[in-house]
Amino acid sequence: AQKVTQTQTSISVVEKTTVTMDCVYETRDSSYFLFWYKQTASGEIVFLIRQDSYKKENATVGHYSLNFQKPKSSIGLIITATQIEDSAVYFCAMREGNNNNAPRFGAGTKLSVKP
Amino acid sequence: EAGVTQSPRYAVLQEGQAVSFWCDPISGHDTLYWYQQPRDQGPQLLVYFRDEAVIDNSQLPSDRFSAVRPKGTNSTLKIQSAKQGDTATYLCASSFLGRGDTQYFGPGTRLLVL
Repeated sequence: AQKVTQTQTSISVVEKTTVTMDCVYETRDSSYFLFWYKQTASGEIVFLIRQDSYKKENATVGHYSLNFQKPKSSIGLIITATQIEDSAVYFCAMREGNNNNAPRFGAGTKLSVKP
Repeated sequence: EAGVTQSPRYAVLQEGQAVSFWCDPISGHDTLYWYQQPRDQGPQLLVYFRDEAVIDNSQLPSDRFSAVRPKGTNSTLKIQSAKQGDTATYLCASSFLGRGDTQYFGPGTRLLVL
């Protein structure tokens, strides 16, 4: 069964710095998909970035990038040049490759970016 | 392109009352999910559909919860007799299998059961 674990409950950083949020997953499938989402204070959940397990290159979108370490079953989210508006809860999710599996989410990491 | 829409945005009930949540997915998305998100937790899957077929409802409390998607477009999630433990945000998401199945979420319905 698939499982996603985010051990960092909350992180606080100063704006314009770089932050890394951790996520480890468990799966028996050789093919799977990893996602990061952001939930703002209003409750809105926004898709940020994804990594497909067969891709060796780390995904990058804007100031978000991933640190995909397949042997460690780890998919870290890196935010560079953080801004106040990056303050939110970040969720990691995984979907196994079977098309009849739905993504499962971690518990989330609350990021606070301060001036 | 319009996003996922949900209604109502808020609901307050007494225990034992019934409530229905409605979701309109992104046009063309074949897969629709319902998640429950308790306060300070991640979204937890309740049920999901591909077109009109239920793919997985193993986490749906079947004695009180039901969900339908009769024409493979809009969906309704119903709680028959609400309990205080049902207090949570109910999220609808949709995706298109052919485009990598990335989910897009609606704004959610915040339910408070007194």
